Amino acid sequence: GAGVSQSPRYKVAKRGQDVALRCDPISGHVSLFWYQQALGQGPEFLTYFQNEAQLDKSGLPSDRFFAERPEGSVSTLKIQRTQQEDSAVYLCASSLGGGNGYTFGSGTRLTVV
Amino acid sequence: DAKTTQPPSMDCAEGRAANLPCNHSTISGNEYVYWYRQIHSQGPQYIIHGLKNNETNEMASLIITEDRKSSTLILPHATLRDTAVYYCIVRVAGGGHSNYQLIWGAGTKLIIKP
Repeated sequence: GAGVSQSPRYKVAKRGQDVALRCDPISGHVSLFWYQQALGQGPEFLTYFQNEAQLDKSGLPSDRFFAERPEGSVSTLKIQRTQQEDSAVYLCASSLGGGNGYTFGSGTRLTVV
Repeated sequence: DAKTTQPPSMDCAEGRAANLPCNHSTISGNEYVYWYRQIHSQGPQYIIHGLKNNETNEMASLIITEDRKSSTLILPHATLRDTAVYYCIVRVAGGGHSNYQLIWGAGTKLIIKP
């Protein structure tokens, strides 16, 4: 597609529920990134894929967070047993190479109640 | 932690030039200055980047001081649609496994007033 597509756009989850957030990167983009953005803050790095390989997951805040990109295109960020502190906008970005030409999606706003 | 400091907010009159400052006093010789902006409810959008020379594109101009410790993003004729949070980021450009992260501060909230 023309841009990075994320779905759903908004998600309300009850505390303890599992959620799955989807990212469709730009076709042909090798690199894919997930960021978490709390209200009023800049985005914070979560994880990085190069094709299907997850090269860095150092930003994932706990083992309740899991990301995958099994075929090197679409990626899913899964959060198990959601907590209120997980409420944030989750941004996905893709690029042709590792560090340049990031294109961000519009994000998924997750609210845990 | 972010290596940049920016004012939390600024106002600018529509049609005037908006000048957004950024301090990056600990910038390394191989680090570029990048600017992104984030309009409400959208993902960040790349604006411009530079190493040491001034840069201009269709969106903005970037002025980097000679010592590279600060820079200014200039929107020459601000419109209401330029209201957004503007982020200044320093990082090593190019590909490579070690260069991909963007470390963001809180940015500057720019409000364009009619």
